[in-house]
Amino acid sequence: KNEVEQSPQNLTAQEGEFITINCSYSVGISALHWLQQHPGGGIVSLFMLSSGKKKHGRLIATINIQEKHSSLHITASHPRDSAVYICAGSNFGNEKLTFGTGTRLTIIP
Amino acid sequence: DGGITQSPKYLFRKEGQNVTLSCEQNLNHDAMYWYRQDPGQGLRLIYYSQIVNDFQKGDIAEGYSVSREKKESFPLTVTSAQKNPTAFYLCASSNLRDRGPEAFFGQGTRLTVV
Repeated sequence: KNEVEQSPQNLTAQEGEFITINCSYSVGISALHWLQQHPGGGIVSLFMLSSGKKKHGRLIATINIQEKHSSLHITASHPRDSAVYICAGSNFGNEKLTFGTGTRLTIIP
Repeated sequence: DGGITQSPKYLFRKEGQNVTLSCEQNLNHDAMYWYRQDPGQGLRLIYYSQIVNDFQKGDIAEGYSVSREKKESFPLTVTSAQKNPTAFYLCASSNLRDRGPEAFFGQGTRLTVV
């Protein structure tokens, strides 16, 4: 069983919709990363958080430590947001990442 | 600008040949990693190195080899012993910070065995 589980696997939405991608993780993970992978394959780190909430532009990431759950939200979604979004967990003192399988997001104009 | 550079972006290899993928970073990160990505699967760790001249096997190290002679460089060799080498390979580096590691990724190398 993977230590990091993402849902949904695929998500298609109309431009402008509010998007939520969920990530659940197991005991031992103390920081959660949200990554974006574009069709060319390159990965960009969006957020790293261990508590609370972070916001960057139209992207918001939240984490609930008690429930071991994190969400990535996209407001006013746009076709250029279409990508694979990956959550990954890490432990303090251990730099290795454990990855979810990704969520393929497609925003239709 | 600091970052990670992987090369080449696309690579074709004949069966039975070894091939080396390059990964260079100028972020002064101690740790570097190689991951493999297959369709429908999460990234899987091949090898990682936390310090020069030292590296550790990840979850799927068989058929691969690495070296870490310099802090900036962590090349991955896909050997002929790797049974299914066609995949997308990602290099990453990180530095342990107070709140946990912040990871940076290269653009990836897509390897196709022909």
